[in-house]
Amino acid sequence: DGGITQSPKYLFRKEGQNVTLSCEQNLNHDAMYWYRQDPGQGLRLIYYSQIVNDFQKGDIAEGYSVSREKKESFPLTVTSAQKNPTAFYLCASSEGQAPDEKLFFGSGTQLSVL
Amino acid sequence: EDQVTQSPEALRLQEGESSSLNCSYTVSGLRGLFWYRQDPGKGPEFLFTLYSAGEEKEKERLKATLTKKESFLHITAPKPEDSATYLCAVQAGNTPLVFGKGTRLSVIA
Repeated sequence: DGGITQSPKYLFRKEGQNVTLSCEQNLNHDAMYWYRQDPGQGLRLIYYSQIVNDFQKGDIAEGYSVSREKKESFPLTVTSAQKNPTAFYLCASSEGQAPDEKLFFGSGTQLSVL
Repeated sequence: EDQVTQSPEALRLQEGESSSLNCSYTVSGLRGLFWYRQDPGKGPEFLFTLYSAGEEKEKERLKATLTKKESFLHITAPKPEDSATYLCAVQAGNTPLVFGKGTRLSVIA
């Protein structure tokens, strides 16, 4: 089945540690996105990539980093500079580069701080 | 600054009790308004895209409408399986989607 796979489902981070969230898609979509969701809040955009080897900062990029070396993969690293990382992280993709295309979401990763 | 406001924050309905969710927006150059459904602990699922005022789309018990300032998601004779958080998002210009905070819908049998 085509779709977006996020792993792990749950992740725990120790203070000062960098952690990487995986996002893989087999939909052959050009664009990929990372969102952060906090309880009672809307989705906030962290980074997005419209093409391989290129990505742009979203509204809350500080403390995060990404790479887009392959079309199907868009990993997100939560660095130690992100002081409040506990949240639900969602990866998404869209077929083309046009911003008004619908998004397909993964099932999310819940990150918590030990 | 673009804004998307959803109301109410939470809505509790009896099974069969129809109602509407609201999404008001203030953007310049709207290119699309999107509705998504999100179940607890899962990613959102796409429901509808509306592009211009006066447009309507339906799917089972859901109907979405759009005016120049807001969109409504009408739920007719809801069932318990319609319980979820409904997210509205708007896209303007060449910027990515801006999401509202969502409406948590509970349908009680």
